[in-house]
Amino acid sequence: AQKVTQAQTEISVVEKEDVTLDCVYETRDTTYYLFWYKQPPSGELVFLIRRNSFDEQNEISGRYSWNFQKSTSSFNFTITASQVVDSAVYFCALSRTDSWGKLQFGAGTQVVVTP
Amino acid sequence: KAGVTQTPRYLIKTRGQQVTLSCSPISGHRSVSWYQQTPGQGLQFLFEYFSETQRNKGNFPGRFSGRQFSNSRSEMNVSTLELGDSALYLCASSLGGREVYEQYFGPGTRLTVT
Repeated sequence: AQKVTQAQTEISVVEKEDVTLDCVYETRDTTYYLFWYKQPPSGELVFLIRRNSFDEQNEISGRYSWNFQKSTSSFNFTITASQVVDSAVYFCALSRTDSWGKLQFGAGTQVVVTP
Repeated sequence: KAGVTQTPRYLIKTRGQQVTLSCSPISGHRSVSWYQQTPGQGLQFLFEYFSETQRNKGNFPGRFSGRQFSNSRSEMNVSTLELGDSALYLCASSLGGREVYEQYFGPGTRLTVT
């Protein structure tokens, strides 16, 4: 069975601080995909990144960066120099290659950035 | 390109009624997935359609059903509504096929059952 764990329920930071969101996953598959989504107060889930299990290269996109470590089954997400607009719930998700449209989501981490 | 659209955005229904939600995917996307989001259970997968065929289904009772049309638009139906069906229903589209692509989500339909 697959499982995604986001142990942090809520993280509060002051603007310009860095924040790291943890994601630990469980799967027996050798090939799988990992995702991060952002859900602002408006409610719409916004796609941030997709990574397949064969690509362990870390990635940086603007103030966002991702650290994928297969050895520890983790796919952590860091926001550098946080801004108030980063306040949202962030979800990590896992997909099998034959999942046909099914994303297994973690419980989400609420990030609150205050000025 | 226009994003994923869902109608209606809000619905209030009475227990025992049925409801139909609609989803229009991004142009060119052939896969549509549906999710239910509640505070207690989080985001749960309902089903996925590709080329008018249901390819995958989550662990929901048969009261939850869906379909997809030839233009990839999809509808979801819930019959005999229960109070526990109150939730945000999210639709997502992707290119589909055999590759696992990212899904793009609509704004959701907020269903309240009284």
